[in-house]
Amino acid sequence: DSGVTQTPKHLITATGQRVTLRCSPRSGDLSVYWYQQSLDQGLQFLIQYYNGEERAKGNILERFSAQQFPDLHSELNLSSLELGDSALYFCASSPHLGRGAYEQYFGPGTRLTVT
Amino acid sequence: GENVEQHPSTLSVQEGDSAVIKCTYSDSASNYFPWYKQELGKRPQLIIDIRSNVGEKKDQRIAVTLNKTAKHFSLHITETQPEDSAVYFCAASIRGVIKAAGNKLTFGGGTRVLVKP
Repeated sequence: DSGVTQTPKHLITATGQRVTLRCSPRSGDLSVYWYQQSLDQGLQFLIQYYNGEERAKGNILERFSAQQFPDLHSELNLSSLELGDSALYFCASSPHLGRGAYEQYFGPGTRLTVT
Repeated sequence: GENVEQHPSTLSVQEGDSAVIKCTYSDSASNYFPWYKQELGKRPQLIIDIRSNVGEKKDQRIAVTLNKTAKHFSLHITETQPEDSAVYFCAASIRGVIKAAGNKLTFGGGTRVLVKP
């Protein structure tokens, strides 16, 4: 167990719908990262937040958005869902001080199925 | 941006043999190289990492080497066991100017390792 939690574990929804994925980082970690894992695209970085502020953006679609709240949990919002959005969505967190500042620990993921 | 290539995509070894996975990266500014192990349906799990100021690092049966000049790094697993069967991902990251922020990981395509008993 990495200490990073994600809910829900599974999500099945229809095209055109909107969903929200939730992540709680490890205690004390200020950085949260979102990654998408699909069969054909592998593990792709979507977006990073640090202490409530957006820090870096990757290949994130305009239909997707995220935020990090004062209690440091983060939410990834996916809207106007398409079949191709079906994937595993992982959240990772990293510490903010010391030698561990580089390491990212992944949550169990949310499996999204769009039908 | 950074691009990470990983080879081979699949690797089958006999139990007790060694397994080697190789990765190359494109951005010479990358300075942190972790390896993750992912079992089917599970989260990627950090198994070892190396920073650019180190050429080699070992942890029991796994070791990682880094060649900054050639921009490649490798994972070595010795005395493989059936529980080593999984998908392994290499990644590269550039440490941000603000140390506290951490930084995004660019992943290789993954190597599916099968250890045959």
